[in-house]
Amino acid sequence: GAVVSQHPSRVICKSGTSVKIECRSLDFQATTMFWYRQFPKQSLMLMATSNEGSKATYEQGVEKDKFLINHASLTLSTLTVTSAHPEDSSFYICSANSAGFAAKNIQYFGAGTRLSVL
Amino acid sequence: AQKVTQAQTEISVVEKEDVTLDCVYETRDTTYYLFWYKQPPSGELVFLIRRNSFDEQNEISGRYSWNFQKSTSSFNFTITASQVVDSAVYFCALSEAPYNTDKLIFGTGTRLQVFP
Repeated sequence: GAVVSQHPSRVICKSGTSVKIECRSLDFQATTMFWYRQFPKQSLMLMATSNEGSKATYEQGVEKDKFLINHASLTLSTLTVTSAHPEDSSFYICSANSAGFAAKNIQYFGAGTRLSVL
Repeated sequence: AQKVTQAQTEISVVEKEDVTLDCVYETRDTTYYLFWYKQPPSGELVFLIRRNSFDEQNEISGRYSWNFQKSTSSFNFTITASQVVDSAVYFCALSEAPYNTDKLIFGTGTRLQVFP
């Protein structure tokens, strides 16, 4: 149990295009999902907290209009990188809080999406 | 302020050696959770353990064991008889309240390399 699916695992796009990343909790409902960004050999940086049915809460320094987050259902959150540029190239990881899954309050992570913007 | 420190950036061991990964945390709350996650080269973070602040019992799971000491604000992780498959980056994390919306504060990670 507690599986989080993230898609796509890798995407290469041209500068100026938008990229959508999906994060799904497969066997539990997640009222809260989190989006992280990770640079090579560095720790995870929280970008935003995604709450089902409401607006996401962004961390300081993260551009809301650049990184659009939608959490339309209890099992799906999406991150759209709008007008991507080479500096947006990174590893993006989502997680889902398992509070509703046997009340364990553990974040389970997706496999990540490696974005390369040419 | 909340903070997690993993002072060991990289550790290299030979297979079958025991290895301990250190984690020191800072928090003002009396109620918090501590976590360890493993990130293999594939990139996915794998949950290993969660420990709440009221439970200082050490835990053992197979070759893995954890030592939680509130007196020193440490939550160290030991792998016994390490194997090549243990090679990964290990993150220690802190969560200050057991609520749905709470954030994880990650340490900078320790890269463990186990050589055959």
